[in-house]
Amino acid sequence: AQRVTQPEKLLSVFKGAPVELKCNYSYSGSPELFWYVQYSRQRLQLLLRHISRESIKGFTADLNKGETSFHLKKPFAQEEDSAMYYCALQGGSEKLVFGKGTKLTVNP
Amino acid sequence: DAGVIQSPRHEVTEMGQEVTLRCKPISGHDYLFWYRQTMMRGLELLIYFNNNVPIDDSGMPEDRFSAKMPNASFSTLKIQPSEPRDSAVYFCASSRGERRTDTQYFGPGTRLTVL
Repeated sequence: AQRVTQPEKLLSVFKGAPVELKCNYSYSGSPELFWYVQYSRQRLQLLLRHISRESIKGFTADLNKGETSFHLKKPFAQEEDSAMYYCALQGGSEKLVFGKGTKLTVNP
Repeated sequence: DAGVIQSPRHEVTEMGQEVTLRCKPISGHDYLFWYRQTMMRGLELLIYFNNNVPIDDSGMPEDRFSAKMPNASFSTLKIQPSEPRDSAVYFCASSRGERRTDTQYFGPGTRLTVL
C-alpha cells in the first residue's frame, strides 16, 4: 500500500526563520516524491520533485530512503511562502497519493 | 493556454439530485485525473484516464459515481443520486504523460455542496 503522512496540519513561523515541513511515506518499491503547493486563491501546483534535485523558491527536499522521509526545507521563510503544502508519492503508475497537507503561515 | 478548465466553479444541490462536473484538460495532455478533497480524507484520486480510456477507477467511492471521457478535450464526473457526504471540492488535473513523473496540472476545482 502507498501512504503519505504529513504529521503537522498547521505550522507557524516568523519571517526569516527556518522552516521544515515533514513528510513520511510508506511504499515497498522505489517511489517518486513530489511537493505541491496551493497559494491562497490559486491552483494546486508542483513545487518540486525529488528526481530533479532542484531548489525552487529557496525550498529543497531530500529523499531519505532509510527514514522513508521527504521533508521540505527552507532556511529563511518569507511571508509569501504562506500556503498549503502537499507531499505526494508516485509508485508504479501515474497515480499520485497525497498527504493531507500542512498549512504554513509565515508571520511578519 | 488557460490551463485545465473546470465548470461549474460552485454547485449547490439537494440530496437526490444528479450532479455533473466538467473538465477540459490542457491540449496535448494524454492523462486526465479526477480528485476529491475533503477535510477528513484530504486529496484522493477517484479515477484517471489515458488517451480517453479509464485506467484506474479504484478510488471511485461507489456506483453513484461515474466518469467519462468522450474525447481528448472533455471529461465529466457524474454523481447520481447525490448525498450530503459527497460535499467536497472536486479537482481535475491533466499531464503530458511522456514520462511517468510528468507534472500534473490542476484545475481550479468545483466546490460541491449537497444539502
